[in-house]
Amino acid sequence: EPEVTQTPSHQVTQMGQEVILRCVPISNHLYFYWYRQILGQKVEFLVSFYNNEISEKSEIFDDQFSVERPDGSNFTLKIRSTKLEDSAMYFCASLWQGLATQYFGPGTRLTVL
Amino acid sequence: AQTVTQSQPEMSVQEAETVTLSCTYDTSESDYYLFWYKQPPSRQMILVIRQEAYKQQNATENRFSVNFQKAAKSFSLKISDSQLGDAAMYFCAYRSSDTGTASKLTFGTGTRLQVTL
Repeated sequence: EPEVTQTPSHQVTQMGQEVILRCVPISNHLYFYWYRQILGQKVEFLVSFYNNEISEKSEIFDDQFSVERPDGSNFTLKIRSTKLEDSAMYFCASLWQGLATQYFGPGTRLTVL
Repeated sequence: AQTVTQSQPEMSVQEAETVTLSCTYDTSESDYYLFWYKQPPSRQMILVIRQEAYKQQNATENRFSVNFQKAAKSFSLKISDSQLGDAAMYFCAYRSSDTGTASKLTFGTGTRLQVTL
């Protein structure tokens, strides 16, 4: 069964460093999402992406964040200068046009020291 | 903006028994989707069940069923014949269908379900 994959599973970085989180959505899906979950808290929407542009972004998704679909398979989230409060689980999700259900990847646990 | 409320931070159920997790939401929209996602200790988000607001019939998936009360804006999840593998965090989520298929999910704060022998 097709699934969303994410790499790395765990990333440790120093405050102020740039990180890139990678996702490979399900191959025929057209809509892509990033969500964040700080430990012990609810899952929060960051950004949605369709047709090579951002569809919607939340207040969390400030100028430090960017997304890109550099080729036909990968979907990346870049944090330019990480802060301690960026430590969280980051989930990628994808959706096929015409369906309602977003399918989630296993997540990347980001730890900022 | 839509909000999703899960008022039970933790629930416990004995194996083979039935448990109901509560969820309420607030929206001014008439057409939307509601979901329950399961998050085991691995923290993977797994879809449990989906309900379309325009459908009056409650969704069921094997041992999982929902009680969808549109007027009351209530969407509870019933787990029958609970198994040890059901122990997880359960999140209720809302998705609008009015703004197109790129619509985001709005999650509740979750209910941690423990299953005891």
